[in-house]
Amino acid sequence: GENVEQHPSTLSVQEGDSAVIKCTYSDSASNYFPWYKQELGKGPQLIIDIRSNVGEKKDQRIAVTLNKTAKHFSLHITETQPEDSAVYFCAGGSQGNLIFGKGTKLSVKP
Amino acid sequence: DTGVSQDPRHKITKRGQNVTFRCDPISEHNRLYWYRQTLGQGPEFLTYFQNEAQLEKSRLLSDRFSAERPKGSFSTLEIQRTEQGDSAMYLCASSSDQETQYFGPGTRLLVL
Repeated sequence: GENVEQHPSTLSVQEGDSAVIKCTYSDSASNYFPWYKQELGKGPQLIIDIRSNVGEKKDQRIAVTLNKTAKHFSLHITETQPEDSAVYFCAGGSQGNLIFGKGTKLSVKP
Repeated sequence: DTGVSQDPRHKITKRGQNVTFRCDPISEHNRLYWYRQTLGQGPEFLTYFQNEAQLEKSRLLSDRFSAERPKGSFSTLEIQRTEQGDSAMYLCASSSDQETQYFGPGTRLLVL
């Protein structure tokens, strides 16, 4: 069945450094790729998304890249801050049917 | 607050009891989704509605689970004869036709 793989499962960086999280997907029909941030005890919060007709999208310190040929997409966070610490999920799908990765726990050390 | 709301936020029940959760989507969002999330995992799709029609159900949704959205606004998810394996966070999300899904805070269920 369709699958989204996410790496790494944990990531620890120093404040101010960059963080990169990578995902691969299996379903060629996928055309929508959102990223969510989830803090403890809360629901996932959308932070950025990208559609398959775009290769890169940026929003302040956050950027996402998509390579449809290789079926992988990545989240880049620059100038990390302690409040960026959370679990990040990638997802892929189409027509509202999303498959989520298993998450990356990001820790930003002050 | 005009975001997705869920009630209750926490529920503890004994095995074999029935539980019902409610989700109120963002106003005018015609799509509503239910997911289940266990510790260390991403959300897993359960079912979704477009207006009042339930259009898709996951294989994860056993016959003990039923969801409704009678007027195309709020939705309920009922679990009958709960089992310990049902313990999880139940998440609701809503979207307009633009695919972007916005999640609620979730209902954490513990079955003893």
